[in-house]
Amino acid sequence: AQKVTQAQTEISVVEKEDVTLDCVYETRDTTYYLFWYKQPPSGELVFLIRRNSFDEQNEISGRYSWNFQKSTSSFNFTITASQVVDSAVYFCALSERNAGNMLTFGGGTRLMVKP
Amino acid sequence: NAGVMQNPRHLVRRRGQEARLRCSPMKGHSHVYWYRQLPEEGLKFMVYLQKENIIDESGMPKERFSAEFPKEGPSILRIQQVVRGDSAAYFCASSPRTGVSGANVLTFGAGSRLTVL
Repeated sequence: AQKVTQAQTEISVVEKEDVTLDCVYETRDTTYYLFWYKQPPSGELVFLIRRNSFDEQNEISGRYSWNFQKSTSSFNFTITASQVVDSAVYFCALSERNAGNMLTFGGGTRLMVKP
Repeated sequence: NAGVMQNPRHLVRRRGQEARLRCSPMKGHSHVYWYRQLPEEGLKFMVYLQKENIIDESGMPKERFSAEFPKEGPSILRIQQVVRGDSAAYFCASSPRTGVSGANVLTFGAGSRLTVL
């Protein structure tokens, strides 16, 4: 069965600090997809990134970067030079090829960026 | 270019009443998913539907909960005889039809927040 663990329930940083949100997953499937979603205070879920299990290249998008390491079953998310607008709950999620399109979410990490 | 539309955004019910939550998927999306988020928790899968078909309902409670996605109109999540433990945010998501299972990016609605008094 699949499982996603976000060990950090809450992180507080000061603006301009870098912050890394951890995500560890478990799956028996050899083909799977990893996602990050952002949930700002307004409550909606915003898609950030999808990676497939065969692509371990790190990805950078502006101040956001993702580090996918199959050897440690981790898909960590780093925000560089954090801003107050980054304050949100961030969810890591997994879907397996053999489980249709069902997403399994981690418990989320609440990030608070203080000015 | 409306996204996934959910209504109502907020719903208050007394114990024993029925709650109906509606979801209109993005234009061109034929797959609908319902997730529940209990306070301070992550989202939990409930049900996956295509038009007139329930594909996977492994996350749905066995009693009081039902979902449909008719040929015409929105998807409906129905909770009968609500209890306080049903208080949660219910999110609907949709995706296009693709040939690669598991790879779909789900587009989520803003959620419907149910409060049971």
